[in-house]
Amino acid sequence: KAGVTQTPRYLIKTRGQQVTLSCSPISGHRSVSWYQQTPGQGLQFLFEYFSETQRNKGNFPGRFSGRQFSNSRSEMNVSTLELGDSALYLCASGSAGYMTDTQYFGPGTRLTVL
Amino acid sequence: AQSVAQPEDQVNVAEGNPLTVKCTYSVSGNPYLFWYVQYPNRGLQFLLKYITGDNLVKGSYGFEAEFNKSQTSFHLKKPSALVSDSALYFCAVREGTGANNLFFGTGTRLTVIP
Repeated sequence: KAGVTQTPRYLIKTRGQQVTLSCSPISGHRSVSWYQQTPGQGLQFLFEYFSETQRNKGNFPGRFSGRQFSNSRSEMNVSTLELGDSALYLCASGSAGYMTDTQYFGPGTRLTVL
Repeated sequence: AQSVAQPEDQVNVAEGNPLTVKCTYSVSGNPYLFWYVQYPNRGLQFLLKYITGDNLVKGSYGFEAEFNKSQTSFHLKKPSALVSDSALYFCAVREGTGANNLFFGTGTRLTVIP
């Protein structure tokens, strides 16, 4: 089975721009979660989608949004980029979204905001 | 509220020696505990998890972890370290009565010295 894929792997943007990141979960998985990883804040949960519905959201401003499509692929969007948004954005997929599920992570998208 | 502590930012161990990476947690309900490893410029790779049952959990690449409810700990261990084990290790918890997202510790950098 193919793993979680994320595109693009690297992005460079300037302040004020917006960006869209894409994630394709493992085939058959219906849950997709997004995390932000920075040296200062570590790994922080952004949001989770299950069957096209946002089930859970972390403590991030409204500039961060996402969606999930009927094929379980997910996108996250960050509008009005700030320097502090520079981070590794990780997507994780889970089979059914149960508490006992393992989340499998993609390689991440490295976003640099200049 | 849930929390995870990894008290050591850095652990150094000689190749062939046993290694331990420490993790303690705090949750209100039943804990679901996970260990992940991250290599440079890569996403997180799942190592093992504790859901219920036997307190000693065996995982990938010869790693194991012991769940200790009284000490609220979930330390990662390996009997004989390899240089290739050098990486960043994250402990994570999911609270049994809470949301589905993982809450991560700050990570421990393991260096195995040849």
